[in-house]
Amino acid sequence: DAMVIQNPRYQVTQFGKPVTLSCSQTLNHNVMYWYQQKSSQAPKLLFHYYDKDFNNEADTPDNFQSRRPNTSFCFLDIRSPGLGDAAMYLCAIGYEQYFGPGTRLTVT
Amino acid sequence: RKEVEQDPGPFNVPEGATVAFNCTYSNSASQSFFWYRQDCRKEPKLLMSVYSSGNEDGRFTTQLNRASQYISLLIRDSKLSDSATYLCVVRRGSARQLTFGSGTQLTVLP
Repeated sequence: DAMVIQNPRYQVTQFGKPVTLSCSQTLNHNVMYWYQQKSSQAPKLLFHYYDKDFNNEADTPDNFQSRRPNTSFCFLDIRSPGLGDAAMYLCAIGYEQYFGPGTRLTVT
Repeated sequence: RKEVEQDPGPFNVPEGATVAFNCTYSNSASQSFFWYRQDCRKEPKLLMSVYSSGNEDGRFTTQLNRASQYISLLIRDSKLSDSATYLCVVRRGSARQLTFGSGTQLTVLP
């Protein structure tokens, strides 16, 4: 059974139209991460939670926000997607970071 | 300079070949090291943790040289199914964050 579930797997949004990506986990791990990965590049950490403690990376744009309403769920909100935000968005849990299958975001 | 640097490849090798990937890291505070595998359009998956003395898991062997800040992954007897991108990953101290290299692409040819 999948430990990390991401929905949707594919998301198409229009330029400037807010979009929310979701991640859930079945292990109740206290650490959850959001990464952005563009083609042929390393996954780039956007932010992570340790329990409810939110940790933003210094270079994460303000356009990206996150919510963690409970241990199992974490959301990535992109307030005004630009063409440059098209990427794979990966959620991971745990210190050794088990990844979900990702959501591929297209911005039109 | 990137914190984790890898030769991007691609490495194209015949089945049965031995192939080695190298990785260097710039932060001497790095304490934990990993190799992840990422198939095309899929998520990264942990392949191996790298231990100080080096470690082996079947056809895969890792080495760590802290003095040179260098990590390697050796794959023996390559299989078609080994075709993927291999990501070198480091953790600074006890930090919760990992830093990923851009990956080395491997294609094993029949």
